[in-house]
Amino acid sequence: GAGVSQSPSNKVTEKGKDVELRCDPISGHTALYWYRQSLGQGLEFLIYFQGNSAPDKSGLPSDRFSAERTGGSVSTLTIQRTQQEDSAVYLCASSLRLAGELTRYYNEQFFGPGTRLTVL
Amino acid sequence: GNSVTQMEGPVTLSEEAFLTINCTYTATGYPSLFWYVQYPGEGLQLLLKATKADDKGSNKGFEATYRKETTSFHLEKGSVQVSDSAVYFCAPSGFQKLVFGTGTRLLVSP
Repeated sequence: GAGVSQSPSNKVTEKGKDVELRCDPISGHTALYWYRQSLGQGLEFLIYFQGNSAPDKSGLPSDRFSAERTGGSVSTLTIQRTQQEDSAVYLCASSLRLAGELTRYYNEQFFGPGTRLTVL
Repeated sequence: GNSVTQMEGPVTLSEEAFLTINCTYTATGYPSLFWYVQYPGEGLQLLLKATKADDKGSNKGFEATYRKETTSFHLEKGSVQVSDSAVYFCAPSGFQKLVFGTGTRLLVSP
């Protein structure tokens, strides 16, 4: 597709329920990132996938959060037993890894429109 | 690890005023530097970037110069417009990921 897509665009759930958020990165982009943007806050890094390497999960706030990336493309972020503090906009981004001298361009990320999660 | 500090907002300006949004960073190695912008109701988009010292990134009248000696990447525009009202994020690249600042909200009034 032309850009990064995310679904659903909005999700309202009840406290304690599990939710799944989906991200379709730009075709050919090998890196995929998840961020969280809470009201009045900046972007909080959650998790990063690069090719077949082990994901960098250092930003996941608790073990209720997990993510997977199937076939090096689509990614799903799962939040189990949602809490009200999980309410936020969840953003996905992808980037293209370039070789050699161009590697410093690697981190130009392209963002999706986000999923707004509301936990009641 | 990398970190970034942006000036707190909101920054409120009148149309045609001069804009500066300060950004300083700490980084391991030699990062690339980015400014992203988020217009109301829209997703983040890249505004400009610089990949080495003294490089100047520019786009839509905005400029930022990579100052390695002061570890800064301040965003400037000579004459802001109402349509520039948005949240601006400074982001140095770390190893395989960007580190975003908290964002600075710019409000431009006619």
